[in-house]
Amino acid sequence: AQTVTQSQPEMSVQEAETVTLSCTYDTSESDYYLFWYKQPPSRQMILVIRQEAYKQQNATENRFSVNFQKAAKSFSLKISDSQLGDAAMYFCASDSNYQLIWGAGTKLIIKP
Amino acid sequence: GAVVSQHPSWVICKSGTSVKIECRSLDFQATTMFWYRQFPKQSLMLMATSNEGSKATYEQGVEKDKFLINHASLTLSTLTVTSAHPEDSSFYICSARDPLSANYGYTFGSGTRLTVV
Repeated sequence: AQTVTQSQPEMSVQEAETVTLSCTYDTSESDYYLFWYKQPPSRQMILVIRQEAYKQQNATENRFSVNFQKAAKSFSLKISDSQLGDAAMYFCASDSNYQLIWGAGTKLIIKP
Repeated sequence: GAVVSQHPSWVICKSGTSVKIECRSLDFQATTMFWYRQFPKQSLMLMATSNEGSKATYEQGVEKDKFLINHASLTLSTLTVTSAHPEDSSFYICSARDPLSANYGYTFGSGTRLTVV
């Protein structure tokens, strides 16, 4: 069975600093996608970044970037220049066969 | 980009009554939609996969007769919680994927907070 593990229930970072959220996954598929979603207090799920497994280059979206280690099945999210608006739950998810498998989430706290 | 509209955003109902939640894809056709349930401070739990024109596929442990799913058109899926009880109180979220989008990903509705009293 596919699994996604987020081992950090909560992380905190000083505003303007950099923080990395960890995620590991397990899949037997050769072709799959990986995602990071953000869920702020409004509870709207927002796509932060996606990574296609066949692409070796790490995805980047402005202040958000990933460190994708396919052999290690690791997919961490780095948030640079953290802002107060980044405070939220962050969920890592994998997708193959058009179904998302979710991690337990990491609560990110931004200290002003 | 793809937009999914979910209504209502919150609902309070009496125990024993039924509640319908709607999920619409506004600018794309969704042959498949997903229904999730989320308990406080927990991750999303997939309840069922809704397929247009056919029966939904329910996850193990989800009562089909309690959570009725209808996906009658390419832009609308509904979840009806029948004979609701306080333990059904939760946050329900729908999701869909635009199969024609160049950017592979899933779009989520804003969720429905159900409170059964």
